[in-house]
Amino acid sequence: EAGVAQSPRYKIIEKRQSVAFWCNPISGHATLYWYQQILGQGPKLLIQFQNNGVVDDSQLPKDRFSAERLKGVDSTLKIQPAKLEDSAVYLCASSLGRLAWYEQYFGPGTRLTVT
Amino acid sequence: AQSVAQPEDQVNVAEGNPLTVKCTYSVSGNPYLFWYVQYPNRGLQFLLKYITGDNLVKGSYGFEAEFNKSQTSFHLKKPSALVSDSALYFCAVRVYNTGNQFYFGTGTSLTVIP
Repeated sequence: EAGVAQSPRYKIIEKRQSVAFWCNPISGHATLYWYQQILGQGPKLLIQFQNNGVVDDSQLPKDRFSAERLKGVDSTLKIQPAKLEDSAVYLCASSLGRLAWYEQYFGPGTRLTVT
Repeated sequence: AQSVAQPEDQVNVAEGNPLTVKCTYSVSGNPYLFWYVQYPNRGLQFLLKYITGDNLVKGSYGFEAEFNKSQTSFHLKKPSALVSDSALYFCAVRVYNTGNQFYFGTGTSLTVIP
């Protein structure tokens, strides 16, 4: 079974530029998550999708971050414009569904450096 | 508010010795508890989870964890550590009635010394 795929793996941009990350979840997984992991911290949920609908985006900085999952499969996360504090690893995860006991499967992450 | 604490940033253990990585939680409601491991430049990998039932949960790679409701703890254990166990370990909690959001601890770096 293929895992969660993410691209690119690394990205370096200047502040105020825009950037987009792509995620392809495990086949059949209805729930998709985007996390931000700052060095030395645990992952922080940015947004959660159930199929193509947003379930939770309470911690997404909506003035600069946006995400979509138009067909209920792949997802993109965009930052525009980027700030220095956005430097982090962005993790995508998926699970079979929203039930609390389902474990999440994580992709390798995209390491973003904003200079 | 829901939270998870991993009181030790770093744990060192000699190869072959038992290891313990500590986790405590604070939630309102019944918790679902998880352990993940992260190797350098890799995403998090699921190790084990506690949902209900037996307080001792067995997971991947010989790891196990014990749920202790009175102490609100979910410590990760392994009887005999391997050098390949060296990695970053995260504890996470989820509570069904709070939107199912995962709350992660800050992680514990485990080093197994040959």
